[in-house]
Amino acid sequence: SYELTQPPSVSVSPGQTARITCSGDALPKKYAYWYQQKSGQAPVLVIYEDSKRPSGIPERFSGSSSGTMATLTISGAQVEDEADYYCYSTDSSGNHRAPCVFGTGTKVTVL
Amino acid sequence: QVQLVQSGAEVKKPGASVKVSCKASGYTFTSYDINWVRQATGQGLEWMGWMNPNSGNTGYAQKFQGRVTMTRNTSISTAYMELSSLRSEDTAVYYCARGQGDFWSGYYPDYWGQGTLVTVSS
Repeated sequence: SYELTQPPSVSVSPGQTARITCSGDALPKKYAYWYQQKSGQAPVLVIYEDSKRPSGIPERFSGSSSGTMATLTISGAQVEDEADYYCYSTDSSGNHRAPCVFGTGTKVTVL
Repeated sequence: QVQLVQSGAEVKKPGASVKVSCKASGYTFTSYDINWVRQATGQGLEWMGWMNPNSGNTGYAQKFQGRVTMTRNTSISTAYMELSSLRSEDTAVYYCARGQGDFWSGYYPDYWGQGTLVTVSS
């Protein structure tokens, strides 16, 4: 089955830049999406279609994708950005009935 | 505004079934898929499947094939996820989420429900 691999944890000092990677064989053909999940809350979409930001998401969140790797960047990280982050995408192998998958998740610590 | 409101927490015994509801408002219910995603305590997000409220068509992740059924009642804009033959490993928070786009050009959950805790314990 298709997998998206993320580093388990990333630490960043307030005001610095955090980068979270997501690796998947289908990413050259499929968009990556990113979700932020704070403790005890439902996930929130922060990046869609590799690099687009939904309304209401701060500009410090940006996304990019190249080859088999997508990256979420938090520029000038704030304490309130401390959360788990998940990438998401779809398989390109022809599984059109159930192609969706989440990455393994990355815990971002801001301290 | 788009809202998905889920039913309350459930406690079930091993071998039983659970049915979680998800009531949609703020948009045309039949115009977007409903996805179901679960999360065990301290674990990551796990996509379970999708349902098209207009046609009733569904697609389930292989792991849940044969145990999950996703249905809807369009008259009350409500989707349902039923999971059978429950075991302790099914203890998790279950989320519904609206599906945006299509599988060929880009498909993703955009709005999420608040989650429903299902506990499986003898």
